[in-house]
Amino acid sequence: GAGVSQSPRYKVAKRGQDVALRCDPISGHVSLFWYQQALGQGPEFLTYFQNEAQLDKSGLPSDRFFAERPEGSVSTLKIQRTQQEDSAVYLCASSFAHEQYFGPGTRLTVT
Amino acid sequence: AQTVTQSQPEMSVQEAETVTLSCTYDTSENNYYLFWYKQPPSRQMILVIRQEAYKQQNATENRFSVNFQKAAKSFSLKISDSQLGDTAMYFCAFMKRFNTNAGKSTFGDGTTLTVKP
Repeated sequence: GAGVSQSPRYKVAKRGQDVALRCDPISGHVSLFWYQQALGQGPEFLTYFQNEAQLDKSGLPSDRFFAERPEGSVSTLKIQRTQQEDSAVYLCASSFAHEQYFGPGTRLTVT
Repeated sequence: AQTVTQSQPEMSVQEAETVTLSCTYDTSENNYYLFWYKQPPSRQMILVIRQEAYKQQNATENRFSVNFQKAAKSFSLKISDSQLGDTAMYFCAFMKRFNTNAGKSTFGDGTTLTVKP
């Protein structure tokens, strides 16, 4: 079937706006991860779900970041009151048997 | 906490030649996975090769092979017969083995590889 999809692919937000980033994992994948990738750097872990349970949110940089996966499938990463330092590519990955499959990412630019 | 270090920010290689990308990591874990991912410009990250720490035999996938030295905590990627389509950023990543499900990955900062015609 289809791979991991993310929407929107590009998002420009004015500082202070709220944004919501969507991830559609591969069907049947139990685990779902969010990563933040700054320009020229490797992805940094944000949070992890197993089905609908958020098992690890240690990487979320502040309480302005919130993620959910209410039915154990689609996930949404929400950033409130965006700041310029939130500008990055946000990657979603779903996994099966210790292999992660990445989506194309959402490039967020905060102006 | 785990750390992954890629000491070569940029590398280049002539088409059809062989290139080796370096990666070292630090962990106190004994059971884990190591990965190399490829991220072409403006395109999504794809898995190149995976190594399970309990396996002594180095993984190979067609033109891609690794040199896994567990005691030295080293995990290099060799690309043979380099092709123009290999031009990309390459990330080394560590994942702790976590029951039957994947855990979070820790990535290095990447090596930008350019294959020249």
